[in-house]
Amino acid sequence: QVQLVQSGAEVKKPGASVKVSCKASGYTFTTYFMHWVRQAPGQGLEWMGIINPGAGTTNYAQRFQGRVTMTRDTSTSTVYLELSSLRSEDTAVYFCAREGPAAAEDYWGQGTLVTVSS
Amino acid sequence: DIQMTQSPSSLSASVGDRVTITCRASQGISNYLAWFQQKPGKAPKSLIYAASSLQSGVPSKFSGSGSGTDFTLNISSLQPEDFATYYCQQYNSYPLTFGGGTKVEI
Repeated sequence: QVQLVQSGAEVKKPGASVKVSCKASGYTFTTYFMHWVRQAPGQGLEWMGIINPGAGTTNYAQRFQGRVTMTRDTSTSTVYLELSSLRSEDTAVYFCAREGPAAAEDYWGQGTLVTVSS
Repeated sequence: DIQMTQSPSSLSASVGDRVTITCRASQGISNYLAWFQQKPGKAPKSLIYAASSLQSGVPSKFSGSGSGTDFTLNISSLQPEDFATYYCQQYNSYPLTFGGGTKVEI
């Protein structure tokens, strides 16, 4: 069965960077794109970007351009989200989500809480 | 960016009720519309893609319709496990965008 397992919670200081991982299993890793979506406390869902694990190509939401990097390691079927220059507004739960055959997200990771606080 | 507007933002319903949630896109998105259910402290769950197709394992009490700019999610015979927040999302073009959510409360 498809599983996406994310890394654990992080606490970072303003200005620092964070790297969240999402390990995929149960399917051919390079076949399906992976999205990253975040959710600030008590708020809605916000799309951050997408990575093609096969080619390594990415497409980022404009508001995160310059601060976000999505990468993948095909040897471990893991995608990574790195966000730099963190500020308090980046405190959120970060989710990875697979883009299924129908081009919509079908499976989600459990989420990783990133807290930015001095 | 395409703006997605959901209504209502919240609603109260009883077990057994049928509810309807609407989602409007700021421009035409064909049928590239998905619906998600989220419970407190949990990851979203994918319900519907292509406006009206159920994800595998999703019960038929959930149904979606619409095309272009106007979409609806219907939930028939609400059960306690259906009380949650529901989000629509367009995936017609980047950046993908979500509606603001509809909280379905008892």
